[in-house]
Amino acid sequence: QQQVKQSPQSLIVQKGGIPIINCAYENTAFDYFPWYQQFPGKGPALLIAIRPDVSEKKEGRFTISFNKSAKQFSLHIMDSQPGDSATYFCAAWTRGTYKYIFGTGTRLKVLA
Amino acid sequence: NAGVTQTPKFQVLKTGQSMTLQCAQDMNHNSMYWYRQDPGMGLRLIYYSASEGTTDKGEVPNGYNVSRLNKREFSLRLESAAPSQTSVYFCASSEALWTGENIQYFGAGTRLSVL
Repeated sequence: QQQVKQSPQSLIVQKGGIPIINCAYENTAFDYFPWYQQFPGKGPALLIAIRPDVSEKKEGRFTISFNKSAKQFSLHIMDSQPGDSATYFCAAWTRGTYKYIFGTGTRLKVLA
Repeated sequence: NAGVTQTPKFQVLKTGQSMTLQCAQDMNHNSMYWYRQDPGMGLRLIYYSASEGTTDKGEVPNGYNVSRLNKREFSLRLESAAPSQTSVYFCASSEALWTGENIQYFGAGTRLSVL
């Protein structure tokens, strides 16, 4: 029940394509859903996050879509660029707890 | 403003050796964490410190110990390293567990190989 299931494990798209990464959860107590971006040799960094009271959040070319009834959320990258090539982690968290549950990661490669 | 600083960046140990991974943050955060990252397994929490003076076990604490030296520093110790501890270790910090958005700030990682 504490898991966050992330797919796909890896993804290759052409420049300008729209990669979509999906995550699913079971625990309805989660109330914060962030996405982290990690470049090779670096630590993860927060990219964008959403709360379950909204269905979509956009920041620049990055969009989170949230489906509370299906307990799923996804990351869309519009007009993807080679510089977006990185590993992306979804996560889920419940306020007041230490348990920041990460997905297993998606390695994205954007071809020039 | 350095954020979260980890040392060393790389380390090779022999089985049975001990070592301490150091972490310091300059953001005045209350909470600090140690994760390990293994291929296909994402980030798994080893130990965390909700606030200065407290530490608690995470998901995979066996073989590790931690010390919250002060508000800035949180170290991870491997008493007798094993090949299964070969991994990339990340330290992170956040303002507090009870704030509205628990944004975690990560260091650059320590790449550890145990032979």
